[in-house]
Amino acid sequence: QVSLQESGPGLVKPSETLSLTCTVSGVSINGYYWNWVRQPPGKGPEWIGYVYDSGTTKFNPALKSRVTASVDTSKNQFSLNLNSVTAADTAVYYCARWGKLGGNAINAYDLWGQGTMVFVSS
Amino acid sequence: EIVLTQSPDTLSLSPGERATLSCRASQSVRSDYLTWYQQKPGQAPRLLMYGTSNRATGIPDKFGGSGSVTDFTLTISRLEPEDFAVYYCQYYDRSLVTFGGGTKVEIK
Repeated sequence: QVSLQESGPGLVKPSETLSLTCTVSGVSINGYYWNWVRQPPGKGPEWIGYVYDSGTTKFNPALKSRVTASVDTSKNQFSLNLNSVTAADTAVYYCARWGKLGGNAINAYDLWGQGTMVFVSS
Repeated sequence: EIVLTQSPDTLSLSPGERATLSCRASQSVRSDYLTWYQQKPGQAPRLLMYGTSNRATGIPDKFGGSGSVTDFTLTISRLEPEDFAVYYCQYYDRSLVTFGGGTKVEIK
């Protein structure tokens, strides 16, 4: 059973750093692009960025100055840090896998975590 | 940056009816990079269609995707109760991912 599970604090204070981890089960983290996507209440999804098994990252330009991501292949986990948070960062945060078919990218997310709600409030 | 505009915002239909959802790109895009998801309340998005017209694993053939250049369509041939949800299109361009604003398909 392949699954993703997000973990981290559900409440972060303004100006502090939001830190989340995604644990990948049932499949190796190697060979895939692992993404973070968030969704503010009542709005559409917003791509945050991705990390590859090599540690290569790419981020949404709107968030790039505040985001870092990393991967721990020994634990089959990857992580997100978003600093200097404000109320606008309140959202459900998802981790998701950029899918492949026959070794080729399908340019879509084929596997998602259940999501974790993060509130930014003092 | 490519912007995806979905229409209508809300589609009110009855079970058994056909649903036609639109996703328009702000400039010409590659059809193999256009994706559709379904999202139900409290759940993560679920992959429906990738590469415009390829159904994801386990997706029934009542779902169909078409389009090219700037205009793309998701069709649900006969709505069933489990199809009432929000649908998002998504595009991948030069390592950047963008989502449309979504279309809610609600029971009339």
